[in-house]
Amino acid sequence: GAVVSQHPSRVICKSGTSVKIECRSLDFQATTMFWYRQFPKKSLMLMATSNEGSKATYEQGVEKDKFLINHASLTLSTLTVTSAHPEDSSFYICSARVGDGRALVDTQYFGPGTRLTVL
Amino acid sequence: AQSVSQHNHHVILSEAASLELGCNYSYGGTVNLFWYVQYPGQHLQLLLKYFSGDPLVKGIKGFEAEFIKSKFSFNLRKPSVQWSDTAEYFCAVIPTNDYKLSFGAGTTVTVRA
Repeated sequence: GAVVSQHPSRVICKSGTSVKIECRSLDFQATTMFWYRQFPKKSLMLMATSNEGSKATYEQGVEKDKFLINHASLTLSTLTVTSAHPEDSSFYICSARVGDGRALVDTQYFGPGTRLTVL
Repeated sequence: AQSVSQHNHHVILSEAASLELGCNYSYGGTVNLFWYVQYPGQHLQLLLKYFSGDPLVKGIKGFEAEFIKSKFSFNLRKPSVQWSDTAEYFCAVIPTNDYKLSFGAGTTVTVRA
């Protein structure tokens, strides 16, 4: 199956610093990647949709200036948490959409997630 | 917007017991449905999906799910669980005219040896 990697798997940073998280599709090209946030004992919340070569689409309530998304190539999307604060501590998960070109809806494959802790 | 509800937050079973996890969604149009599993310390993996056709879908690791359109449900089943089925299970829905997944809150399944 399709493999998605994330780096780093875990990061601890000081309040006020910025953190970049990478999401890569290893054996396929992904025109669309998604960024989710998962709170403890909670479901995944979609933050934004990242399309290669264009601006990301953010969900309501997600600050685009705080969570910068760049989808520079068909295999790489990055999420930068700018000026991180303790409330940004969470588990961030990316996914990449694999399509067969025939259907609008297809399958998302998920990365292993990145645990961010802001002190 | 669509929503997904999973009835059980935490299910505890013994090995060889049967498992059924409930999932209901609210959306007036046509949807595509998924079950994902997250084993401890691992990433989300696709168990099975329903797009169209036979409403009884078979997935990996002996899991199956049945789509009942009239009940807006997509319940997950496994006849005999193993200790290795201990994980978090998520139901997810996409309307057929969209590409965004909506997840349920998840059900933690603990299988005791």
